[in-house]
Amino acid sequence: DVKVTQSSRYLVKRTGEKVFLECVQDMDHENMFWYRQDPGLGLRLIYFSYDVKMKEKGDIPEGYSVSREKKERFSLILESASTNQTSMYLCASSGADRGKMYEQYFGPGTRLTVT
Amino acid sequence: RKEVEQDPGPFNVPEGATVAFNCTYSNSASQSFFWYRQDCRKEPKLLMSVYSSGNEDGRFTAQLNRASQYISLLIRDSKLSDSATYLCVVNMGPNTDKLIFGTGTRLQVFP
Repeated sequence: DVKVTQSSRYLVKRTGEKVFLECVQDMDHENMFWYRQDPGLGLRLIYFSYDVKMKEKGDIPEGYSVSREKKERFSLILESASTNQTSMYLCASSGADRGKMYEQYFGPGTRLTVT
Repeated sequence: RKEVEQDPGPFNVPEGATVAFNCTYSNSASQSFFWYRQDCRKEPKLLMSVYSSGNEDGRFTAQLNRASQYISLLIRDSKLSDSATYLCVVNMGPNTDKLIFGTGTRLQVFP
């Protein structure tokens, strides 16, 4: 079974703080993704990565950056947290196996509250 | 027009009922299709991939109509444990791993 873990289930931060969200997968997947999920808006892609040290912007990258120094780890960084970044953050990974191409597997999520 | 559209529901059905969810997508270049299940305050979990010929997994049947850009999920003999939100998911096109998620259809199965 694919296992994707995230560093925290719940996080409370103050406006202006720098926030790090960590994600680790154990299936040697090439691709990793960060989403945020808000009521009525569904999942929106923030950033994704096809390989170590590679990253691409998703649909809502503003206010976020990412880091992928190792294949199994993908970090999301909020440079200066703001209240409109209060959300559920979900990390996912997918591999290149022909039979399971594009299937994404999610971590348990981090519910971030910025006060 | 949204890239993936679903009826938000909720669908309230009794145990044992058959229920169907529909989903339309706008990108004709999409090649991979999925249904995910998401329980309240949990992460989405892959329920099934949708193949061109349609596929079945136990009580769940998924169908794809490329001409109409339409995907469906049929659940037979509903169980209380089927209560969840069902997300229709489509990939953006060839040569991309990006997925587009619908906002989900909520199902509530009652005794």
